[in-house]
Amino acid sequence: SQQGEEDPQALSIQEGENATMNCSYKTSINNLQWYRQNSGRGLVHLILIRSNEREKHSGRLRVTLDTSKKSSSLLITASRAADTASYFCATDAEGDKFYFGSGTKLNVKP
Amino acid sequence: DAGVIQSPRHEVTEMGQEVTLRCKPISGHNSLFWYRQTMMRGLELLIYFNNNVPIDDSGMPEDRFSAKMPNASFSTLKIQPSEPRDSAVYFCASSLGQNGNTIYFGEGSWLTVV
Repeated sequence: SQQGEEDPQALSIQEGENATMNCSYKTSINNLQWYRQNSGRGLVHLILIRSNEREKHSGRLRVTLDTSKKSSSLLITASRAADTASYFCATDAEGDKFYFGSGTKLNVKP
Repeated sequence: DAGVIQSPRHEVTEMGQEVTLRCKPISGHNSLFWYRQTMMRGLELLIYFNNNVPIDDSGMPEDRFSAKMPNASFSTLKIQPSEPRDSAVYFCASSLGQNGNTIYFGEGSWLTVV
């Protein structure tokens, strides 16, 4: 399977703390994307990192990619209760087909 | 843009009935995806269209499932006959269809088969 797998499956932190989620995948990729899903809603794109990039930032989000280890991490700094959601990584190895992992459920306690 | 629009948002149907889920992708997007999400299996890619042509349907679970894209602005996913194990959230998503483009998701169709 080309699916990314997130780790941990669940994470509970206090507001203000940083949250780190990891994604591992099996085959070579062109791009890796991170998505957020609030309960009962669709997935929302957060950030895309290409295979020739090592790190990307977007606001409080920082994504790293290590293609030698076939892994990526998503760091959310200074977390807020509104960050409570499930986070998924999506990997592509076949053009536009993206496969999603099972997600990390983040709970940020106020 | 209104984003990817799916209907119905919720459907409860009896086993054996036909279910049709509908999707309107974002205008100008030429790739369309159908995903299914369950607690047990997570997000599964069912089928992927590019320029209205099915490119890969290897994720379609059984012959009871079929998908069409008669034009660039409309797609359907049909289940006939439906079974309780088909209960899931079905997402439609679209993208510009170029390598590395963001996939935009609809809000999903929540299907319960009783």
